[in-house]
Amino acid sequence: GENVEQHPSTLSVQEGDSAVIKCTYSDSASNYFPWYKQELGKRPQLIIDIRSNVGEKKDQRIAVTLNKTAKHFSLHITETQPEDSAVYFCAAKGGSQGNLIFGKGTKLSVKP
Amino acid sequence: GAGVSQSPRYKVAKRGQDVALRCDPISGHVSLFWYQQALGQGPEFLTYFQNEAQLDKSGLPSDRFFAERPEGSVSTLKIQRTQQEDSAVYLCASSLAPIRATGELFFGEGSRLTVL
Repeated sequence: GENVEQHPSTLSVQEGDSAVIKCTYSDSASNYFPWYKQELGKRPQLIIDIRSNVGEKKDQRIAVTLNKTAKHFSLHITETQPEDSAVYFCAAKGGSQGNLIFGKGTKLSVKP
Repeated sequence: GAGVSQSPRYKVAKRGQDVALRCDPISGHVSLFWYQQALGQGPEFLTYFQNEAQLDKSGLPSDRFFAERPEGSVSTLKIQRTQQEDSAVYLCASSLAPIRATGELFFGEGSRLTVL
């Protein structure tokens, strides 16, 4: 089955800097890669996703890149703000599976 | 409703007790998922339904865990004879898309289970 590895587990940046979180997956048939943000005690919420027929996607300060050959995808947050502080999860959905497999999360802290 | 609703939000059980956790998905959502999230970890898949059919229960950790969605809407996750290792947040998510399609999962706030 699918396995998703996520790095780093914690990330601390100064306000205004960029943050990058990286994930790798094992199932070459995976075709959907969402990123979720979870604030303390809250539900995970989708912030951006990418499908396997696209290499990059942007939404304002957030971008995701996908390298199918290397089986890795990354989240890029530019001009970070304190409200970006949260735990971020990457996930992958395999072509033969119906469920999302999540990484273990990255705790992002943005210092003002 | 406006979002996925889960109840109870918090449950404390004595070891050996049975618990039932309820999930009300977004109206019209076909797919429903249950995940277990331990402290500081990512959500771990338990099971999913498409309408009333349970298509995959491979993530259920033991036969003490049972899930149902009899009318294709509300779902219940039942844990029998709870153990301390069952302590976690149980997240329910629903999606408008069928299981094999790609679509956003909308999560509930979760039910936090503490087994003493």
